[in-house]
Order: sequence, then C-alpha cells, then structure tokens
Amino acid sequence: AQSVAQPEDQVNVAEGNPLTVKCTYSVSGNPYLFWYVQYPNRGLQFLLKYITGDNLVKGSYGFEAEFNKSQTSFHLKKPSALVSDSALYFCAVRDLISSGSARQLTFGSGTQLTVLP
Amino acid sequence: KAGVTQTPRYLIKTRGQQVTLSCSPISGHRSVSWYQQTPGQGLQFLFEYFSETQRNKGNFPGRFSGRQFSNSRSEMNVSTLELGDSALYLCASSFGGGSPSTDTQYFGPGTRLTVL
Repeated sequence: AQSVAQPEDQVNVAEGNPLTVKCTYSVSGNPYLFWYVQYPNRGLQFLLKYITGDNLVKGSYGFEAEFNKSQTSFHLKKPSALVSDSALYFCAVRDLISSGSARQLTFGSGTQLTVLP
Repeated sequence: KAGVTQTPRYLIKTRGQQVTLSCSPISGHRSVSWYQQTPGQGLQFLFEYFSETQRNKGNFPGRFSGRQFSNSRSEMNVSTLELGDSALYLCASSFGGGSPSTDTQYFGPGTRLTVL
C-alpha cells in the first residue's frame, strides 16, 4: 500500500525567509509525487510533480521540491516566503503498482503554512 | 481554457435525504475522480471514472455512487445521508489515457455539503 506523511500540522515562517514543508512517502514501486495547495473555501491547486529525472523539481509561484530516494522524502521549498503563500499544503503520491492505470492519489494530512509579515 | 467546474457550490440537506453533485471536467479530459475532504479524515478517494466506466473505487459504503456521461461530465450521488457525510466533495479531472505516470489531476472548487 502507498502512503505519504506530513509530519508537521503547522509551519510558521517570517516573510522573506526560506520555507520548507516536509513530506515522506512509502510506495512499493517507483513513486510519482505531487504537491497541491488549498486556499480557504477553494479546491486544490496543482503546484508541481516528480515523475523521474532531476531530483529538484520547479513548479508554480516560485516553489520547488527536492526528491530524495534514500530518505524517501519530497520536501516543498521556496527561497523567500510571501504572506500570500499562507495556505494548506498537501503532498500526494501515486504508486503504479498499487494503482495500475487508475489515477487515484493518496494524500498526506496537510500542513498549514502561515507566513508572518 | 476553463477549469473544472462543480455545481452546486453549497448544499444543505437533512439526514435520510439523497443528494446529487455534478462535475464538468476540463475540455479534453476523460478521467474524473471524486474525493471527500473532512477535518477528521482528510482527503479520501471515492472513485474514478474513465470513458463512462468506473475504473477504481475507494473504501466507501454503497450509498456513495457515481456515473459519467459520454461528454465526460460526472455526477456523484449519496443516498440516505448521514451526519458524517458533511464534507467538501472535490472533483478532479485528467486526460486519463496514455501514461498514468505523467497524468496530472486538476481539481474543481468543490461542493460543500452540510447534513443536518
């Protein structure tokens, strides 16, 4: 079975400082990893994904994520946080061995990011 | 290109009633997935439809059902509503064919269902 864990329910960071939102995964095959963001009363917005290749993935709004196979992690990062980045962030995984051709995603529990002015 | 649309955005129902939620995918997308989001359980997969066929199903009771039409629009139905069905129901669409590894799901704004 596939799973993801987001060990921090809440992350606070000062505006202008770098931010990291952590995610670890467990899959039986090659992982396909995603980050989504959710603003209040909105659906999930796609940020970036890792399929294969470079371990550093660049996404929308200046976000990037680092894939680390040995640590089974896929942490979301941004060099300089903005107040407008404050939102709920979800890590998700799709494991082809578990999912086959289906597009089911397994989500982490979410991390509330607050950027303080 | 228009995004995923869901209707209605808000619903209030009472226990025992049934409800139907609608989702229109991004143009060209043939896969539609449904998720339930609650504060206690987080985001949970309900089911996925591709080319009018259910391709995968999550661990939900039979009261939850869905269907997909030939234009890829999808509906989900919940019968005999319970208080615990109160949630944000999210629909996501993707191309659905080809390589599943590169297929990204794009989400709609959700339908907020409140069961009284």
